[in-house]
Amino acid sequence: GAVVSQHPSRVICKSGTSVKIECRSLDFQATTMFWYRQFPKQSLMLMATSNEGSKATYEQGVEKDKFLINHASLTLSTLTVTSAHPEDSSFYICSATTGGFRQPQHFGDGTRLSIL
Amino acid sequence: TQLLEQSPQFLSIQEGENLTVYCNSSSVFSSLQWYRQEPGEGPVLLVTVVTGGEVKKLKRLTFQFGDARKDSSLHITAAQPGDTGLYLCAGLTGNQFYFGTGTSLTVIP
Repeated sequence: GAVVSQHPSRVICKSGTSVKIECRSLDFQATTMFWYRQFPKQSLMLMATSNEGSKATYEQGVEKDKFLINHASLTLSTLTVTSAHPEDSSFYICSATTGGFRQPQHFGDGTRLSIL
Repeated sequence: TQLLEQSPQFLSIQEGENLTVYCNSSSVFSSLQWYRQEPGEGPVLLVTVVTGGEVKKLKRLTFQFGDARKDSSLHITAAQPGDTGLYLCAGLTGNQFYFGTGTSLTVIP
């Protein structure tokens, strides 16, 4: 149980394109989803916390207009990287829980975003 | 400045050797977790420790939570190539959750 599916697994696109990444909890209801960014061989950096039905909370230094998050249902959150540029290239990972950080996080397999 | 500092950052050892990874902080955590992540995948939870001084074993892996709940260690006995990966500690303090800086382990056959 507790499977989180992230799609797509890899995206390569031109600079200026907007890219949407989906994070789905397949067998449980995720009241909270987290979005992380990770550079090669480095740790995960929390970008934002997404609660179903409310606006996402962004960490300091993360542009909310650049990284649009929508958590429209208890099983789906999306991250849209708007007008992506090469510096946005990274590995993006989502996780889902039934109740914030105090419940176990279940991670997706990540999305490798490459902006040319 | 990272709240959870891991050492070493990189480690390359021969198959069969033992190793220890450290996770240190000046903050107290109500719980601490260890994850292993392989390239192109999400992190996978290995263990959660919640009690100061707690020791948990998972086959060849031994996890210890410091008495003051500020630090933790991961010891691997007789490392195998399949142990290769990025090891991450992560701690919960208050309502905040922090990942450690990470330790990239390579086990050479």
